[in-house]
Amino acid sequence: QSALTQPPSVSGDPGQRVTISCTGGSSNIGAGYEVHWYQHVSGTVPKLLIYGSTYRPSGVPDRFSGSKSGTSASLAITGLQAEDDAEYYCQSYDNSLSAWVFGGGTRLTVL
Amino acid sequence: QVQVEESGGGVVRPGGSLRLSCVVSGFTFSRYSVHWVRQAPGKGLEWLTISSYDGSHEDSAASVKGRFTVSRDNSKSTVFLQMNSLTPEDTGIYHCARGHRFGSTWTNHYFDYWGQGALVTVAS
Repeated sequence: QSALTQPPSVSGDPGQRVTISCTGGSSNIGAGYEVHWYQHVSGTVPKLLIYGSTYRPSGVPDRFSGSKSGTSASLAITGLQAEDDAEYYCQSYDNSLSAWVFGGGTRLTVL
Repeated sequence: QVQVEESGGGVVRPGGSLRLSCVVSGFTFSRYSVHWVRQAPGKGLEWLTISSYDGSHEDSAASVKGRFTVSRDNSKSTVFLQMNSLTPEDTGIYHCARGHRFGSTWTNHYFDYWGQGALVTVAS
């Protein structure tokens, strides 16, 4: 049971917009810790997509955006492309666990 | 150009030990923390432990606390993960990743550079 909860799967057609939620609690996101997002294609290295809840590293398309409010965060992907088909993880810090934590991951399927 | 590379993976029997190494280059190693993250077969990413840049911060996930210890050699830009009392549940790919602090809160780390990972298989 992860401290951060994500939906197991989401899907969308090419060109559509999807969002992936990351729900935490008062000891992680609600405590003010930032949320970071990663894209992971099986067999490759996880790729940083969003850091500091809303910032994109250079090279990440502006189709990807992040937001945070209260004890939750979201990753939005617009203009879905086939290459977006991957697993997505949120990550933060939890002060009751004294540990960095990942969400359980969300499998995005581009139909 | 930042590079991160793990080594030392392999097959080990339950109850055995293994030591992984993580060699980094392309940045000032002594100014960054390095984290270990693993992915078990069919499972998600799991944070394991941190090697803080100054050795002052020691945290580990409950699943490995007391069994896994981390150390670093700044002269060799290398972090080590000593894994003892291994069980089949420890099987997976072990990645090391650079921890980059965001803002003034020390624990606001994100992982910006990752190694390809070292495969650890615990089986009899």
